[in-house]
Amino acid sequence: QKEVEQNSGPLSVPEGAIASLNCTYSDRVSQSFFWYRQYSGKSPELIMSIYSNGDKEDGRFTAQLNKASQYVSLLIRDSQPSDSATYLCAVKKGGSTLGRLYFGRGTQLTVWP
Amino acid sequence: DTEVTQTPKHLVMGMTNKKSLKCEQHMGHRAMYWYKQKAKKPPELMFVYSYEKLSINESVPSRFSPECPNSSLLNLHLHALQPEDSALYLCASKATGSADTQYFGPGTRLTVL
Repeated sequence: QKEVEQNSGPLSVPEGAIASLNCTYSDRVSQSFFWYRQYSGKSPELIMSIYSNGDKEDGRFTAQLNKASQYVSLLIRDSQPSDSATYLCAVKKGGSTLGRLYFGRGTQLTVWP
Repeated sequence: DTEVTQTPKHLVMGMTNKKSLKCEQHMGHRAMYWYKQKAKKPPELMFVYSYEKLSINESVPSRFSPECPNSSLLNLHLHALQPEDSALYLCASKATGSADTQYFGPGTRLTVL
């Protein structure tokens, strides 16, 4: 079983719609969860971090964490063509003092005008 | 400021060449990372430095040699690489302690001929 699994997509939504990206993780004691956005040929850029169960909102982005179900998601409201990118889910396992991250394979999102 | 810089942006080298990649951050972060990323794959951890000491080596071939000369700089020395080593090489850093967020540099696109 992989440490972090994402629905690999690709995911295609129209402009203005809500894009929903999902991620599950295997280590029950994982502590920290991150969503990175990566444009083609560029480096990952942090979008959201979440540490506690529930929702965390930042502008058009909402991260949701459910530790009991070992599930983390990212919602993008009012999707824009500029949101078209690969979204990487990353998890820091419990006890990792060096902050080692485990990445999912990424979900490619296309937002069409 | 959450900036990590990397030089060069692009590098083309032959299999007999010796070259170095450089990473720099001035955020006072004491954990620094090298990742390798192939197309359509997530970043793959290579090395972790903590307080200028090598803490994790993910069984990387010896043709890759990391160095951390001070708390702001991280180098990756390359020698006798293979064409399959062509990839995007990413540097990241994070604060030690409870802060978990890793910040990535823009990467170096390496092509081995």
